[in-house]
Amino acid sequence: EIVLTQSPGTLSLSPGERATLSCRASQSVSSNLAWYQQKPGQAPRLLIYYASTRATGIPDRFSGGGSGTDFTLTINRLEPEDFAVFYCQHYGTSPLTFGGGTKVEIK
Amino acid sequence: QIHLVQSGNEVKKPGASVKVSCKASGYTFNIYGINWVRQAPGEGLEWMGWISPYNDNTNYAQNLQGRVTMTTDTSTSTVFMELKSLRFDDTAVYYCARDYYGGNSALGYWGQGTLVTVSS
Repeated sequence: EIVLTQSPGTLSLSPGERATLSCRASQSVSSNLAWYQQKPGQAPRLLIYYASTRATGIPDRFSGGGSGTDFTLTINRLEPEDFAVFYCQHYGTSPLTFGGGTKVEIK
Repeated sequence: QIHLVQSGNEVKKPGASVKVSCKASGYTFNIYGINWVRQAPGEGLEWMGWISPYNDNTNYAQNLQGRVTMTTDTSTSTVFMELKSLRFDDTAVYYCARDYYGGNSALGYWGQGTLVTVSS
């Protein structure tokens, strides 16, 4: 099973700042990596797939990068509605696994 | 629009079974696989398995093999997830999530979640 390790656990930032989240895989997942945003009491929402492709309707302040084992999610100019928990997930092989999540909170 | 609507919250006793439904609309049902993901209170996301509505092929997480069964009803565009021999640590919100595209895929569309509480 591929283990995904996300860092940091919590990111404290102010609106307007840039957030950089990391996801490291225990073995190569090629580009089969997605990022999700989850707000309290809501289902996760797909942000990025294929490591860097934004899903339909996702603002361009969200961007993903990386391949193989190291990936980043960048949120430029944080908006108040962006504060949430973010998960990475690989989907190239079974079992699909998720990272432990990064909470982006308001400083 | 694409919608996945899940059945209501459940409270079950240890050892019992629960069956959660996920009704799909807004797309051709048998083209895209459906995954089940659960989230224990305050915890992260755990993938449980996948089913193809096209041919009923399934792929279950190893730690749930023998306890989980996923089925489909194409006449109502509904997917079911049954979990047997419930334990206290099965308490979680259970989500269905549709493959975003065909083949190995990210999870693009999610149901609203169903809280299953296992309590004596």
